[in-house]
Amino acid sequence: GESVGLHLPTLSVQEGDNSIINCAYSNSASDYFIWYKQESGKGPQFIIDIRSNMDKRQGQRVTVLLNKTVKHLSLQIAATQPGDSAVYFCAENRYNAGNMLTFGGGTRLMVKP
Amino acid sequence: DAGITQSPRHKVTETGTPVTLRCHQTENHRYMYWYRQDPGHGLRLIHYSYGVKDTDKGEVSDGYSVSRSKTEDFLLTLESATSSQTSVYFCAISGQEVYGYTFGSGTRLTVV
Repeated sequence: GESVGLHLPTLSVQEGDNSIINCAYSNSASDYFIWYKQESGKGPQFIIDIRSNMDKRQGQRVTVLLNKTVKHLSLQIAATQPGDSAVYFCAENRYNAGNMLTFGGGTRLMVKP
Repeated sequence: DAGITQSPRHKVTETGTPVTLRCHQTENHRYMYWYRQDPGHGLRLIHYSYGVKDTDKGEVSDGYSVSRSKTEDFLLTLESATSSQTSVYFCAISGQEVYGYTFGSGTRLTVV
């Protein structure tokens, strides 16, 4: 079935290094993608989004890349900090599906000091 | 989270009792959602609402009902709580003009 998933369940990086979290999606009709960060004991928090007519979008220390050819989404975090330790979810939305987000399973990012 | 609150934050209840969780928003958003989050399953949609008195089922709706009598409140009721309903429950909201969700802080429910 159609799904959004993640390649790596756990990613461990050294403080100061760059982090890359990957996500694969299967529905080529998806037109909007979001990355969420979830810290322990909290709800998911919006990080950055990208529409299907774009291939790159940058925020503060984060960049999302979209490759529609291979249906791949990635989140890059520059100069990873201990506060970036969390679980990261990708999600897709299809506007004509009633504003319903489909979530991936999540990747845990662990930052080593 | 700004604009959306869930209550209670924690609850322990006995098997067989009814439980109601509340989600309240101040954003006047059209869409509201209830998810449960369990290890190994990620976020799973229970029910959602696309307007006052307009609700529909998600992928794990058995044993749950919802009501939305006004824009700002979306209630989730466990008719007769079971141990399998022990979980963290998240409410989310979304406006018609945006595609993303804003999540509440969650309710941790334990059924003993």
